Amino acid sequence: DSGVTQTPKHLITATGQRVTLRCSPRSGDLSVYWYQQSLDQGLQFLIQYYNGEERAKGNILERFSAQQFPDLHSELNLSSLELGDSALYFCASSAGTDHTEAFFGQGTRLTVV
Amino acid sequence: LAKTTQPISMDSYEGQEVNITCSHNNIATNDYITWYQQFPSQGPRFIIQGYKTKVTNEVASLFIPADRKSSTLSLPRVSLSDTAVYYCLVGDKAAGNKLTFGGGTRVLVKP
Repeated sequence: DSGVTQTPKHLITATGQRVTLRCSPRSGDLSVYWYQQSLDQGLQFLIQYYNGEERAKGNILERFSAQQFPDLHSELNLSSLELGDSALYFCASSAGTDHTEAFFGQGTRLTVV
Repeated sequence: LAKTTQPISMDSYEGQEVNITCSHNNIATNDYITWYQQFPSQGPRFIIQGYKTKVTNEVASLFIPADRKSSTLSLPRVSLSDTAVYYCLVGDKAAGNKLTFGGGTRVLVKP
């Protein structure tokens, strides 16, 4: 158990819909990272938050957004969903800003039908 | 756009040493090189991290040459349970220091 909790574990939704994925980081970690893993694109970094502020942005689509709340949990919002958004979405957390020894959650498997 | 590249797959036998090299020509100046292990349907698990030269922990060693344009993960005396996909992760200078994973190396350990 990495200490990072992601909910839900599985999500099935229709095209055009909007979903929210939730991540609770390890106790004491201030950074949260979001990743997308799909068969054709591999692991892609989406975005990082550190202590409530956006720290780094990766290949995140404009239809996607994220935030980190004062209690440090984070949410990833995916809207206007397309079939190609079907993937595993991972959250990771680390103590500092530089991904040192980041710990990953078990992921949310999103299926868009 | 420079890519972080790894071999797609490697086969090995129990008890052998496995070395996986990741090429990262445009690594960000101040960024570390991190390696993860991933089993099916699980999140990646941290293995080792380094900046330059050699780093060793209880499960692996990481060799980084002076130019830092590549790194080699060494798994000593692998066992069947080391069968997994291994990813390197670096900050890519050409991509604004975005964290970039390699494509992953699928390691199969045979009895």
